This record gives sequence, C-alpha cells and structure tokens, in this order.
Amino acid sequence: DTEVTQTPKHLVMGMTNKKSLKCEQHMGHRAMYWYKQKAKKPPELMFVYSYEKLSINESVPSRFSPECPNSSLLNLHLHALQPEDSALYLCASSQVVDTQYFGPGTRLTVL
Amino acid sequence: GDSVTQMEGPVTLSEEAFLTINCTYTATGYPSLFWYVQYPGEGLQLLLKATKADDKGSNKGFEATYRKETTSFHLEKGSVQVSDSAVYFCALSVGSNQGGKLIFGQGTELSVKP
Repeated sequence: DTEVTQTPKHLVMGMTNKKSLKCEQHMGHRAMYWYKQKAKKPPELMFVYSYEKLSINESVPSRFSPECPNSSLLNLHLHALQPEDSALYLCASSQVVDTQYFGPGTRLTVL
Repeated sequence: GDSVTQMEGPVTLSEEAFLTINCTYTATGYPSLFWYVQYPGEGLQLLLKATKADDKGSNKGFEATYRKETTSFHLEKGSVQVSDSAVYFCALSVGSNQGGKLIFGQGTELSVKP
C-alpha cells in the first residue's frame, strides 16, 4: 500500500481565517514533506520532517506553520494568508532516503 | 547546483503514436532518477524510477534508462493512449539523513488525441 491521504480536498478561506491541512500515511515512512504547486508548474518544497523533527524549511513565510504530531501525521496550519498563496498543497512521505509518494493534494483558494 | 531539464510542451500525439520526452540532469553526486505523472486535478503519481547507472525503470508500458554518460533519463512509450494525457515530471533525488530532496524539471504536458 503506497497511499498518502490528505484532507480536505478543497478549501476556501478568507485572509483573516485560520485553517489546517492534514496528511496521513501508514507505510511506516519516517520522512514527510509539504509542497506547494501552482498551475502547470512543478511542486516547490516547503518543509521536510525527518523522524518527526523539522529538518528542512525552505524559507517559507511564518503564516504557514507545520506540525508533526506523530510519525503518521503531518499538519500545515494556515493563518493570515494572501491571495497569492492559492495553490495545490501536496503532502508526500518516504523512508528517509528513498522514493517519495504523494497524496492527492488540497486545492486552496484564498479570497 | 543540481538541476533537471526536460523538453517543453505541450506535446500533442495521436493515439498509438510513439512517445519520447527528453530529460537531462546535472548532479554532483549519484542521484536516483524518477518520472512522476500528474493527471488533471490529481496529485503526483510515481511512474518509474532508477537508482543507478544503466538501470531501466518501467511501468504501464513506459520505460526510461539511467544514462550516466549522457546524464539523461528519457521517457518512452511505444503506443500512447488517450488515457496517458497528463503532465509528466522528471526528477532527481538528493538524499540525506534530513530526508530526500526532489529536484523537478518544469514538466511536459502530453495530450493524446483519438
């Protein structure tokens, strides 16, 4: 089973809202990732968690706040977003140095 | 730094045509190479991979061979179907104990007409 699940599938939020994206995997992977993807572009890495510790932060604005409650779950907390943050947010997981498997994504629209 | 260059799209083919999508890379170490596919409205799916020179990855009729001498990983399929219409991303992985970092090409949009 190589399934990564993400909720919600779609999210519309105002610039003053606080919301969270959720990601889950049950493959025993110890690395989890958040990516942002704009239309017709490749995914851009945002954060990497390795063994539940934040190991890479690609200079992402503080209005995006990741959290890894345990080895199976990854959250992305959103606050005071801008319209340009509208995108597809993808979660992925892997063994620490191995193939990354992606979830279906959350389509975020910021009004 | 490490990078991936793939042919620009969109590529439009008729059903049963032969497909080649070129991908070349620059890397200082010994990367693993991947092709991911993204169907409309979906996330990325791993299509195939190769982890060392001369390895051939294959899946669903698609193939790609890791060529270290030409730093290439071209994707091929002998006979495309309408259902193959998607965006294809070539990527390399620079692994470390911090987690593997994927470097993507720009993506190639494929449209297959009946």
